[in-house]
Amino acid sequence: QQQVKQSPQSLIVQKGGISIINCAYENTAFDYFPWYQQFPGKGPALLIAIRPDVSEKKEGRFTISFNKSAKQFSLHIMDSQPGDSATYFCAATVTNDYKLSFGAGTTVTVRA
Amino acid sequence: DVKVTQSSRYLVKRTGEKVFLECVQDMDHENMFWYRQDPGLGLRLIYFSYDVKMKEKGDIPEGYSVSREKKERFSLILESASTNQTSMYLCATTLVGSSYNEQFFGPGTRLTVL
Repeated sequence: QQQVKQSPQSLIVQKGGISIINCAYENTAFDYFPWYQQFPGKGPALLIAIRPDVSEKKEGRFTISFNKSAKQFSLHIMDSQPGDSATYFCAATVTNDYKLSFGAGTTVTVRA
Repeated sequence: DVKVTQSSRYLVKRTGEKVFLECVQDMDHENMFWYRQDPGLGLRLIYFSYDVKMKEKGDIPEGYSVSREKKERFSLILESASTNQTSMYLCATTLVGSSYNEQFFGPGTRLTVL
């Protein structure tokens, strides 16, 4: 039973478009929400992360939006590029627990 | 840069064989993890270790065991491989006290059990 629900399972976007991936959680003890990016043949790598004391965090073309009351968070990829084609995982954890609960993953394909 | 290496990229084994997957990290991280990755299920934690000879079950430990005799090495053991253990296996490490709980992953081992 996954503690973090992620959607959609896959999406296709044109170059320059916006990719949006949504995640929801139930455990209100979670206080750290990272996103991992995985390219084919590689292990996942940390992309960006947020704590619930802020509603948004931006790093380059990647933005996390966080809605604490709804227990939802999302990743927006602005101006999507073919190099962004990868699988994205949202995750959640409690600080100092070290174990991550991952979502099911979203495969993003950016068409040139 | 943290380097996490896994002993094999691809492995084919037969049902009932004992299988060893090895993970080695070079950054003196205390915590090490084994996950399996399956389409539509994401990454599921099998076991994790927070110190030498210390281990804790994750969400799906059945059919697996682990060994951590040295800090840098964490082994996943399939005592008697079954076809439903065909999967991608990922090892990860994290540093105790890091503010971001960042996990560093190896490239994965794709195991096929026939």
